[in-house]
Amino acid sequence: AIRMTQSPSSFSASTGDRVTITCRASQGISSYLAWYQQKPGKAPKLLIYAASTLQSGVPSRFSGSGSGTDFTLTISCLQSEDFATYYCQQYYSYPLGFGQGTKLEIK
Amino acid sequence: QVQLVQSGAEVKKPGASVKVSCKASGYTFTGYYMHWVRQAPGQGLEWMGWINPNSGGTNYAQKFQGRVTMTRDTSISTAYMELSRLRSDDTAVYYCARVSVGYCSGGSCYGWFDPWGQGTLVTVSS
Repeated sequence: AIRMTQSPSSFSASTGDRVTITCRASQGISSYLAWYQQKPGKAPKLLIYAASTLQSGVPSRFSGSGSGTDFTLTISCLQSEDFATYYCQQYYSYPLGFGQGTKLEIK
Repeated sequence: QVQLVQSGAEVKKPGASVKVSCKASGYTFTGYYMHWVRQAPGQGLEWMGWINPNSGGTNYAQKFQGRVTMTRDTSISTAYMELSRLRSDDTAVYYCARVSVGYCSGGSCYGWFDPWGQGTLVTVSS
């Protein structure tokens, strides 16, 4: 199984900051990677697929990049509603797998 | 709009079974695979498997083989996930999620999840 590792596991930031979350796959997955945002008590919400394609309706301050084994999710200017937990997911092979999550908290 | 609505919370005793439903609306139910993902309290997301609503074919994560059964009723656009021989560590929120296909290879297709159901909390406790 492909292991997905996110870093950091958690961190604090302020509104207006630019933040980057990293996701690393244990083997190459081309660009078959998605990013999700999850708020407490809610289902995950798709942000990005194919490593860099923004899902319809998602604000343009979110962006994704990478291919192979190393990927990043960037939020260019944090808004209050962005404080949540973020997960990456590989869909290169079964079993599908998620990173352990990155919790973004208000500083 | 595309929507997945799941059944309500369940409390089960160890050794029992639970069956969670996921009713789809706003799209052709048989046109998209349905996956199930669970999340233990305070933990991350764990993929369980999928069902092809058109054929009824399934693919389960090895961890759940022998304990999970995914079925569907196309007449009411509903998918089901049944987990048997429940243990305390099966306590989790269970989500259904429709997959959008990114690519297919070797007879299998792979993709990302959108939308998700609202989740069903299953509590296993004696």
